[in-house]
Amino acid sequence: GNSVTQMEGPVTLSEEAFLTINCTYTATGYPSLFWYVQYPGEGLQLLLKATKADDKGSNKGFEATYRKETTSFHLEKGSVQVSDSAVYFCALSDRETSGSRLTFGEGTQLTVNP
Amino acid sequence: GAVVSQHPSWVICKSGTSVKIECRSLDFQATTMFWYRQFPKQSLMLMATSNEGSKATYEQGVEKDKFLINHASLTLSTLTVTSAHPEDSSFYICSATGSTEGDSPLHFGNGTRLTVT
Repeated sequence: GNSVTQMEGPVTLSEEAFLTINCTYTATGYPSLFWYVQYPGEGLQLLLKATKADDKGSNKGFEATYRKETTSFHLEKGSVQVSDSAVYFCALSDRETSGSRLTFGEGTQLTVNP
Repeated sequence: GAVVSQHPSWVICKSGTSVKIECRSLDFQATTMFWYRQFPKQSLMLMATSNEGSKATYEQGVEKDKFLINHASLTLSTLTVTSAHPEDSSFYICSATGSTEGDSPLHFGNGTRLTVT
């Protein structure tokens, strides 16, 4: 079946530090990959996505590249801000095997200190 | 952009009562809606998938008689937690996708915090 594994948190960084949150996946088909962000007390917001191998998703300074050879979709940001503090979820969807359903990773709590 | 409205944002109820949570797509027709449950500091667990006009498909281990899902129109799905107990306290999130979208659901509600006393 499909699964997503994320780097364990929590992650604590100082403002302007470099961020990497690792994500690897297992899928039987050709999944689309996503990063979602959840701010305290809120639902999920799509941060970025990639639908095929070697695609790079980017948004608000965050980037992630779909690496089929390593089955990875690591999230990066060159300089984090306090406002980036949130929980980040890696997810996949495989329309061939699971339709529009999303499989989520465990989530990684990020705290950015001023 | 597409918006999903979830209501209420939080609710406190007494044990044994039922609670209804609404999920509305505001500017698109949601052919499929998903209901998730999130425990503190954990990931989202898919409870069920509902398609407009048909019965919901529940994930293994989710009691369909306890978590009633109705998707009566293309813009509204409801989740009713029947005879709620303290262990049902959780954060419930809905997600919706429309027929014109060729990809996975991108639109989430802001969630409902349910506390059963």
